[in-house]
Amino acid sequence: DGGITQSPKYLFRKEGQNVTLSCEQNLNHDAMYWYRQDPGQGLRLIYYSQIVNDFQKGDIAEGYSVSREKKESFPLTVTSAQKNPTAFYLCASSIIHKRYTEAFFGQGTRLTVV
Amino acid sequence: DQQVKQNSPSLSVQEGRISILNCDYTNSMFDYFLWYKKYPAEGPTFLISISSIKDKNEDGRFTVFLNKSAKHLSLHIVPSQPGDSAVYFCAASDGNTGKLIFGQGTTLQVKP
Repeated sequence: DGGITQSPKYLFRKEGQNVTLSCEQNLNHDAMYWYRQDPGQGLRLIYYSQIVNDFQKGDIAEGYSVSREKKESFPLTVTSAQKNPTAFYLCASSIIHKRYTEAFFGQGTRLTVV
Repeated sequence: DQQVKQNSPSLSVQEGRISILNCDYTNSMFDYFLWYKKYPAEGPTFLISISSIKDKNEDGRFTVFLNKSAKHLSLHIVPSQPGDSAVYFCAASDGNTGKLIFGQGTTLQVKP
């Protein structure tokens, strides 16, 4: 089945530690995105990538890093510099060459700092 | 600065009536608009979309209207059903940069 997979579903991190969230898609999509959702808030864009080996900062990139070494994969690292990392993280992907097309989302990873 | 705004955090309607969810945007470079439905602890699922060259798109019970001059779009659900109860997100895409920006969401409750 084609889709976008995020792992793990739940993640606990100690303060001061870096942690990497996985996002893999087998939809052959060019673009991939990372969003963060906090209670009562919308989806805020962290990073996005339209092509392998290239990515751009979104609105809240501070304290996060990404890589796009393969088309299928777009891992997000939450670093110790992120002041308030506890949130629900969502990864999405979409086709680029079809200009008007929707993004598909994974099921999300809930990160909790303990 | 919030480029996509959903000013109503919640909406409650009776089953069978119309639900109208509103969204405003500020960036005139947005050329594609989408609505997503989301349940707690799940990823959003795509509902309906509209490109900036159109002013209306309809899919079954769902219709999206776009008013470019007002930078406003709305989602109409007719008739509303209890299963429509969820959080609805408006999103806008900048075709030049590839950015996809979401609003804060509106929680819709449809009462039986």
